[in-house]
Amino acid sequence: AQSVTQPDIHITVSEGASLELRCNYSYGATPYLFWYVQSPGQGLQLLLKYFSGDTLVQGIKGFEAEFKRSQSSFNLRKPSVHWSDAAEYFCAVAITGGGNKLTFGTGTQLKVEL
Amino acid sequence: DVKVTQSSRYLVKRTGEKVFLECVQDMDHENMFWYRQDPGLGLRLIYFSYDVKMKEKGDIPEGYSVSREKKERFSLILESASTNQTSMYLCASSPSLGLAGDNEQFFGPGTRLTVL
Repeated sequence: AQSVTQPDIHITVSEGASLELRCNYSYGATPYLFWYVQSPGQGLQLLLKYFSGDTLVQGIKGFEAEFKRSQSSFNLRKPSVHWSDAAEYFCAVAITGGGNKLTFGTGTQLKVEL
Repeated sequence: DVKVTQSSRYLVKRTGEKVFLECVQDMDHENMFWYRQDPGLGLRLIYFSYDVKMKEKGDIPEGYSVSREKKERFSLILESASTNQTSMYLCASSPSLGLAGDNEQFFGPGTRLTVL
């Protein structure tokens, strides 16, 4: 069965600093990969997704992610973090033929210091 | 904009009560999902549905059931609530378009359920 690992439970960055959130997946074939963000008291919002083509994916709010097959990774990046980016971030994977069922990682809580 | 609404933001129930969590989506999506979210565990899939009157178990279905009588509505039922079902419950929906698996799920705001 597929799985997703987000090794960092909490990350703190200063406003204006760059950000990288790690995500590793386990799946035999090429998966569909997603990053979602959850602001306090809110549901999840899709930041970006990858399912084929260019391995560098651009998303909303200035985020990007790079799919690296050799490392089974799909890390999320942002060159300059804003205080409003403080939230919890979830990586998720869907498999071919699995319908739209997602498997989520355990999340990374991002704190932004002013 | 796709909208997924959940009947309550906060709910407090007593052990042994029957609890209904309602979810409605307004985009004619075929697929609907119920997750629970717990700190350190992320989101775990309880049940999902690909069509009216159709349901499939997710990863943690024990203690829960679901109902989908209309396309836009997906209900999660706790037959006899227990304290270990205290959690945040999130509903989501997605279309069935194009390649299976690459369709975005749209989430509701969640219901924080406390079972005393």
